[in-house]
Amino acid sequence: DAKTTQPTSMDCAEGRAANLPCNHSTISGNEYVYWYRQIHSQGPQYIIHGLKNNETNEMASLIITEDRKSSTLILPHATLRDTAVYYCIVRVAGYGSARQLTFGSGTQLTVLP
Amino acid sequence: GAGVSQSPSNKVTEKGKDVELRCDPISGHTALYWYRQSLGQGLEFLIYFQGNSAPDKSGLPSDRFSAERTGGSVSTLTIQRTQQEDSAVYLCASSLAPRTEMTEAFFGQGTRLTVV
Repeated sequence: DAKTTQPTSMDCAEGRAANLPCNHSTISGNEYVYWYRQIHSQGPQYIIHGLKNNETNEMASLIITEDRKSSTLILPHATLRDTAVYYCIVRVAGYGSARQLTFGSGTQLTVLP
Repeated sequence: GAGVSQSPSNKVTEKGKDVELRCDPISGHTALYWYRQSLGQGLEFLIYFQGNSAPDKSGLPSDRFSAERTGGSVSTLTIQRTQQEDSAVYLCASSLAPRTEMTEAFFGQGTRLTVV
């Protein structure tokens, strides 16, 4: 499995965009980039995923570099409720990939009022 | 139900006792996963059920751990002769159709197990 590296922590002002980077330089061609977050005392929550094109949904945008060695999760207008640990993982999508849903230490995002 | 439900939310047990943790997946989800998360750590895969197929038990840390899924719905994770190192949050997740890239796993709130 490709390894990911993320900053340990980041702060963001409420209402501003939060940009969370992730490096995955050993990603394979069939591996997707997934982002989850975990708010204190809750289970992980899926945010977004992508293969090579940029993706956007109601929660966030995912920007993947052309060489796919890094990506950035963007929360366009961070709120206090976005304070959480954000995990970037790479995995093969589909059947049998359950074992690959393993998180590292993630980035603790703190949204400041 | 609307989401994955786990019970109990908290469990304190004495070392050496057996415990059962329950997971009710989202209705219609064919895949069910158990993970555990120790304090400050990432997720550790335990076991995976998909429909009527044989479960993937490759993540179970010892033979004290077992899991069942009855009727393709509710699952029970059993830990026999609990040890202090079993203390963790046990998370259950379910997904609709793992064979497609668009399917994601939805997690329950977890059961916090403390072995004293």
